[in-house]
Amino acid sequence: QSVLTQPPSASGTPGQWVIISCSGGSLNIGSDYVYWYQQLPGTAPRLLIYKNNQRPLGVPDRFSGSKSGTSASLAISGLRSEDEADYYCAAWDASLSAWVFGGGTKLTVL
Amino acid sequence: EVQLVESGGGLVQPGRSLRLSCTASEFTFGDYAMSWVRQAPGKGLEWVGFIRSKAYGGTTEYAASVKGRFTISRDDSKSIAYLQMNNLKTEDTAVYYCNGGADAETYWGQGTLVTVSS
Repeated sequence: QSVLTQPPSASGTPGQWVIISCSGGSLNIGSDYVYWYQQLPGTAPRLLIYKNNQRPLGVPDRFSGSKSGTSASLAISGLRSEDEADYYCAAWDASLSAWVFGGGTKLTVL
Repeated sequence: EVQLVESGGGLVQPGRSLRLSCTASEFTFGDYAMSWVRQAPGKGLEWVGFIRSKAYGGTTEYAASVKGRFTISRDDSKSIAYLQMNNLKTEDTAVYYCNGGADAETYWGQGTLVTVSS
């Protein structure tokens, strides 16, 4: 059971808009930044979004992050086949003194 | 190009020890915290622990599942972070990734597989 809750799966067709949610609590998402990672099959995770809504260089602006209260979302617009991957949210949990991850969302591009 | 390379993985029996290394290149290693994250076969990401930079005391934090068994250390002169794993259990079987940096400048290694089995 992960501290952060994500839907196990999501899907969309090419060109569509998809949103992946991440729900936490007051001592993780509610009080600190949220980070999002993309993991393509058989590869290491890659930082997609940091500090709730910031994109590292090289991440397309089709990817955007937001946070409200104890929940966060990753939005992907103009879905492409290469977006098919697992997506994880993460945040620091002040009560556990630990980084916590969501269980991951497997995105399928139909 | 920044590179983080993990090494030291392999097959080990339950109760034994293993030490993983994470060697960094083209990276101002000493300026950053270094973390370890693992992924059991077919499962999600699990944070293992991290070590702060010397500027922040070089202190460590660990996940409850490994506290007391795993130890993270660093050698800034060699740009290497270590994960010493003692009293290994079958549930520690996973790909172990190191990562370092901060915010936009965060880098991950390719991972090293640790299999704990008799």
